[in-house]
Parts: sequence; structure tokens; C-alpha cells
Amino acid sequence: DTGVSQNPRHKITKRGQNVTFRCDPISEHNRLYWYRQTLGQGPEFLTYFQNEAQLEKSRLLSDRFSAERPKGSFSTLEIQRTEQGDSAMYLCASSLIPGQGARSQPQHFGDGTRLSIL
Amino acid sequence: DQQVKQNSPSLSVQEGRISILNCDYTNSMFDYFLWYKKYPAEGPTFLISISSIKDKNEDGRFTVFLNKSAKHLSLHIVPSQPGDSAVYFCAASLVNSNSGYALNFGKGTSLLVTP
Repeated sequence: DTGVSQNPRHKITKRGQNVTFRCDPISEHNRLYWYRQTLGQGPEFLTYFQNEAQLEKSRLLSDRFSAERPKGSFSTLEIQRTEQGDSAMYLCASSLIPGQGARSQPQHFGDGTRLSIL
Repeated sequence: DQQVKQNSPSLSVQEGRISILNCDYTNSMFDYFLWYKKYPAEGPTFLISISSIKDKNEDGRFTVFLNKSAKHLSLHIVPSQPGDSAVYFCAASLVNSNSGYALNFGKGTSLLVTP
């Protein structure tokens, strides 16, 4: 049983560069979520997909951020023109869509990509 | 605007005793609540959840209690083991929402279980 996989685990880049992260969800999961976590805080929601459709973006997701899930399987999160404030752990999670009789399904997280901006 | 609050940054408990982690929320519309455990350099691991139609859910050593009138939930770990030492996050979501059950997290409580 493979869990959520994220690559790379660490990314160090200079301010102003573009970076891209990849997330492979649990294979049968229709929903995929991106969160960001900074030191001393809990994860904060960025965006989510149901299959290939991006259905919600939080106000945290500035126009420098873009996420895709082209075939409804893996997803990428790109940050353009990185800034110091983008340094954080970027977490991906996936879940099933609740079926009949189940009001909700838990999200399962990957180990994250830690981004450091020099 | 922190809608989920974990007011105790840390907790220390002796092995074999009960650990009680607390969580308060402000949004009365939340109807699904979860606890996650996080070890350093790993992602959060799902522990246990509870729907707002229940007031208790139990899974082995872990029990979650929900008090909707007080907007409060707690996680009980009995008996506590050294391997339980981790950061515990409380999270809440809206089942009927355009955000597909996006989770709102607290800041976490660091639990240390001493031998």
C-alpha cells in the first residue's frame, strides 16, 4: 500500500527563481489537496482538485502560484519568482470522495517538500 | 483568523498514564473533526476522526470526545507510550462546502511521554 509521495523532499533555490514540486496521491483517491506549513503553525490550505478539476483556491495562493493535475493522477505546484516568504514546507494530501453513508473521508498526507529560499 | 485553537503548546506525561490533548474551535459550522500526529521530517499521519453527529469515537488507545455546545474536542491516549511522543494537530472541516473539506488546523501540541 503506497502512500502519498512528494518530490523533491528538499529544494534550495535563490530568490527570483521558479520551482516546481510533484505529488503522487494514493492511487484510488479522487481528491488532492495542497497545504503550506511554516514553523510553529499548522498546515494551511492552498488549493484542491477533484479528479483533474481545480475546484478551490485559498487567498494564500497568489498569482505566482499555479497548480495542475492534468490527468487526474499526479499534481504539480509551481512557484514563480520565489520570495523569501515562500520558504515553508509544502504538503500534499489525498482522499476519497465520501460514498453513500459516509459523510466524509480523512485526508492522508505525504512527507512534504521543504523549500528554502536563499 | 485562527478558527481552530490548541492552547497548550506542549504536554509532558509519564508512560502508562493518560494523555489528554485539547482543541477549541470558533466556527459552529464545522462538522468533521480529525486528529493527526506528526513526527519531525514527516508529514501528518491521520489518527482518528469524529463527525458532528457523534460525541465520542474510539480506536484502540485513542478516543476523541466532541462537545458541540462548548465547541471543544479532546483526544485521550490511554495508556501513553514513549512512541506517542510527537506533535498532535487538531483539524476541522465543513462537510458541505465548496472547498471540498479543506482542513483548518490548530498550531499543534507537542506531547512528550517519559519512561
